[in-house]
Amino acid sequence: DARVTQTPRDKVTEMGQEVTMRCQPILGHNTVFWYRQTMMQGLELLAYFRNRAPLDDSGMPKDRFSAEMPDATLATLKIQPSEPRDSAVYFCASGPQRPQHFGDGTRLSIL
Amino acid sequence: RKEVEQDPGPFNVPEGATVAFNCTYSNSASQSFFWYRQDCRKEPKLLMSVYSSGNEDGRFTAQLNRASQYISLLIRDSKLSDSATYLCVVNIRGGGFKTIFGAGTRLFVKA
Repeated sequence: DARVTQTPRDKVTEMGQEVTMRCQPILGHNTVFWYRQTMMQGLELLAYFRNRAPLDDSGMPKDRFSAEMPDATLATLKIQPSEPRDSAVYFCASGPQRPQHFGDGTRLSIL
Repeated sequence: RKEVEQDPGPFNVPEGATVAFNCTYSNSASQSFFWYRQDCRKEPKLLMSVYSSGNEDGRFTAQLNRASQYISLLIRDSKLSDSATYLCVVNIRGGGFKTIFGAGTRLFVKA
């Protein structure tokens, strides 16, 4: 079965450090989503791309977060500098239009 | 006000019970609707799409009322394995399709 692959699975780091999360969408899916999930806020849409172009990143704190798709097989989400409030599970999802398949998520803890 | 609102739960029901989840959405540009299921510490997975005519998949029935901007999910003859969080999902037409998740309703089915 085709899967969305996310790395790393877990990340623990100190505040102020740069964090990079990677996602390999399912081949042929032209829409890629980044979500953040916390107990308090649920699943929040951070950004999404169609054919590698960013369509909406209004859910992302622009001063510290950036999302890119350098090619069709890789999406990245970076946080610099990281803060304890960024601790969450970050999910990548891909699909023809909607998030059809999710990755396993990156569990991020900022100390 | 959140764009997608759900019953907060949790719902605690015995095996064999019928349980209903409700969801409301606020954006009139919402085009398509879904229910996802998320198990503890796992990624969300598509359960079913929701159509205006209503649709059924085994023990699960989904309904959409566009006039009231209301979506429902009915689970009949609930099983222990139905225990999960059920997420109401709305696709909003914008530049592409922006997919927004509700906070989810937790269901516990007990023997």
